Amino acid sequence: DAGVTQSPTHLIKTRGQQVTLRCSPKSGHDTVSWYQQALGQGPQFIFQYYEEEERQRGNFPDRFSGHQFPNYSSELNVNALLLGDSALYLCASSVFHRGSYNEQFFGPGTRLTVL
Amino acid sequence: EDQVTQSPEALRLQEGESSSLNCSYTVSGLRGLFWYRQDPGKGPEFLFTLYSAGEEKEKERLKATLTKKESFLHITAPKPEDSATYLCAVQAEGSQGNLIFGKGTKLSVKP
Repeated sequence: DAGVTQSPTHLIKTRGQQVTLRCSPKSGHDTVSWYQQALGQGPQFIFQYYEEEERQRGNFPDRFSGHQFPNYSSELNVNALLLGDSALYLCASSVFHRGSYNEQFFGPGTRLTVL
Repeated sequence: EDQVTQSPEALRLQEGESSSLNCSYTVSGLRGLFWYRQDPGKGPEFLFTLYSAGEEKEKERLKATLTKKESFLHITAPKPEDSATYLCAVQAEGSQGNLIFGKGTKLSVKP
């Protein structure tokens, strides 16, 4: 049973460019959440997708956008990259349970470096 | 404001020396508390879910407990392969699934 997969593993971009990161959830999962983890910090919530809609959003600017496809996979897009966007980007998948806790399982991450 | 504080930031143990990691949380209402293990450069690995005070979960040398204000991760007779950063996260009532993480405790176990 494949777990959460992410691509690419590493990415180097320059300021002002745009980037797209991809995530495939664990088999049987229908919800995808994206997190940003700076060095030495805990992950910070960016947004969550369920039924192809953004359900909740953290404190991130509109430069960060996403999409979920009918097969539950997801993309994270970041426009006008800044040096401060350099981080490990994590995708987590879960099964949606309204009104209950959601156990989230993480992928290996994409390391983004902005020069 | 919902927040999670973990202590200590770093912990160095000798192999076999048991200890505990602390996670203090402030949330309007707790839906769930989660422990993860993270190795350098990798994604967090799920360990435990706790959702009511008094609950305990065990896995090999790890035991997680929960009170109304904090959670402890007890490590019994650790081995070098237990070296990692341990992250604590909470999901608040009314949240659709946003996890709020602490900064983690970096554990080093020397042989």
